[in-house]
Amino acid sequence: ILNVEQSPQSLHVQEGDSTNFTCSFPSSNFYALHWYRWETAKSPEALFVMTLNGDEKKKGRISATLNTKEGYSYLYIKGSQPEDSATYLCAYAGGTSYGKLTFGQGTILTVHP
Amino acid sequence: EADIYQTPRYLVIGTGKKITLECSQTMGHDKMYWYQQDPGMELHLIHYSYGVNSTEKGDLSSESTVSRIRTEHFPLTLESARPSHTSQYLCASSDSFRDQETQYFGPGTRLLVL
Repeated sequence: ILNVEQSPQSLHVQEGDSTNFTCSFPSSNFYALHWYRWETAKSPEALFVMTLNGDEKKKGRISATLNTKEGYSYLYIKGSQPEDSATYLCAYAGGTSYGKLTFGQGTILTVHP
Repeated sequence: EADIYQTPRYLVIGTGKKITLECSQTMGHDKMYWYQQDPGMELHLIHYSYGVNSTEKGDLSSESTVSRIRTEHFPLTLESARPSHTSQYLCASSDSFRDQETQYFGPGTRLLVL
């Protein structure tokens, strides 16, 4: 059973704050790590996919880093806005489950105006 | 924006009824997936398909069944709904040869079995 853990479970920040959260995953037989944003009443939306140790990806105010040797990824949001409020999911592809994703529980971010 | 659709979005039904949750995608993706999610819990894979006439059970045991007769269509059926089936069901698809198989999700079906 693959273990993908995200922390914290939930986070409340003020508009303008920068924030980050963590995804940990098995470091062996790694293939890819995905980040998704899931807003209420919408479909999960793909943010990033990372495959190489040391990868950094950026999309506007959101960026992510990857450490495959120790099995973690960080997602950073700079200058949070209320529209960033969502659940952020990470998903691991690797091991014997090649082609399938194992999701973490998600981090629920609420940005207060 | 991903072109993957699910119907119905919400369904309230009595115990013992047969239900089919529809999922279709217009992106020509070869792989399709069904996930189940209970409140506060992870998305759990219950079924997946790597192409037409290919279906496999996922990591979470489910009493539902699926079929993949056409590339674009991946319906999920419960022959006899029970309250324990109450959950949210999400469909997704991916292309084996693009985006490191990023999965694109539909909006989900919220099922309530009374």
